[in-house]
Amino acid sequence: SQTIHQWPATLVQPVGSPLSLECTVEGTSNPNLYWYRQAAGRGLQLLFYSVGIGQISSEVPQNLSASRPQDRQFILSSKKLLLSDSGFYLCAWRLFKSPLHFGNGTRLTVT
Amino acid sequence: RKEVEQDPGPFNVPEGATVAFNCTYSNSASQSFFWYRQDCRKEPKLLMSVYSSGNEDGRFTAQLNRASQYISLLIRDSKLSDSATYLCVVPYLLNTDKLIFGTGTRLQVFP
Repeated sequence: SQTIHQWPATLVQPVGSPLSLECTVEGTSNPNLYWYRQAAGRGLQLLFYSVGIGQISSEVPQNLSASRPQDRQFILSSKKLLLSDSGFYLCAWRLFKSPLHFGNGTRLTVT
Repeated sequence: RKEVEQDPGPFNVPEGATVAFNCTYSNSASQSFFWYRQDCRKEPKLLMSVYSSGNEDGRFTAQLNRASQYISLLIRDSKLSDSATYLCVVPYLLNTDKLIFGTGTRLQVFP
């Protein structure tokens, strides 16, 4: 069966520090991969998605970036965090036309 | 018009009640949509897929009205455990790899 791992579960970072969140999927090949962010009390905002290795589509042109170095690995990064980057970050995978499956999420607080 | 719109609620209903939510969308010609359930501070979990012919799973029924561009979720015989936020997900018209979430409808079932 397929599983998705996302870490860390919680993170507290100062403004201006870098960020790296990692997500890996097991049990499937060539999934679509997604990063969403949910601010407190808000809906899910699509940040990035990828349909293959090295292919990244960006929906949010802010200080975040994403990379997919391997088929089942998706990384979200920032060189300098802003206070507005605080939120609940969710990685997800899906196969063609099937539903999204989410990781447990990372709760990021920028102080 | 927003790509995906939901009434944020909250919908406060007694146990045993029937409640329905709608989700209106634009910019989609998809044949598959999704409803997710999100509990407080948790990742969204798939509740149902929504097909052209509709879908029923126990107390839950989902319908698609393509002409009016909305999907609906009906919950019969509400339980306390149904209290959560319900999110609809719509594939984007020009790129069905891009999935857009509604902001969610909050349901509170009381004894």
